[in-house]
Amino acid sequence: NAGVTQTPKFRVLKTGQSMTLLCAQDMNHEYMYWYRQDPGMGLRLIHYSVGEGTTAKGEVPDGYNVSRLKKQNFLLGLESAAPSQTSVYFCASTLGQGNSGANVLTFGAGSRLTVL
Amino acid sequence: AQSVTQLGSHVSVSEGALVLLRCNYSSSVPPYLFWYVQYPNQGLQLLLKYTSAATLVKGINGFEAEFKKSETSFHLTKPSAHMSDAAEYFCAVSDQEEAGTALIFGKGTTLSVSS
Repeated sequence: NAGVTQTPKFRVLKTGQSMTLLCAQDMNHEYMYWYRQDPGMGLRLIHYSVGEGTTAKGEVPDGYNVSRLKKQNFLLGLESAAPSQTSVYFCASTLGQGNSGANVLTFGAGSRLTVL
Repeated sequence: AQSVTQLGSHVSVSEGALVLLRCNYSSSVPPYLFWYVQYPNQGLQLLLKYTSAATLVKGINGFEAEFKKSETSFHLTKPSAHMSDAAEYFCAVSDQEEAGTALIFGKGTTLSVSS
């Protein structure tokens, strides 16, 4: 049982390059999230999805796009990377059923992205 | 909108001493509150959660937190610190105003434990 798997774990990009981070979960969770973690800022929500085919903006969505074509996968794309997007990115998922507010998020191990 | 504030970005204790990490929340509805821990170069792990049952919540590794509505607080404590407790700790509230009920995190508190 792998839980939440993020690929790649590390990536270095040049300004203007594009890339996609992949998040895969094997727990049949409905809700999935992308956060970014920066020193002194905690975790901030980029985008989220409440089911296959749906996406919504979080607190800091600018410069990112997402897709949820399959229930188990949630992709985060950077079309034109900027140094301000240097961060550690975390994917998380939760059941999303019933009393959703009480559902615990399961996090991936993170993807460290550096934009030069 | 819900929010959480963690007081103190860095807390240092000696091994065996009391650990107290502070968290205050702002919520217009009865909140669901969480404490997560992050060890170096790892993802976040759930320590404990409050979901309106008992106000004193016990978590893993000897941690507990008490929900105090009058003080809008959810402080995390452990009676005796261990070296292995050194990590970053995040308080979070569930955003029930959004369909996705995402977690809103505080900025984190780094706990250092010295021998």
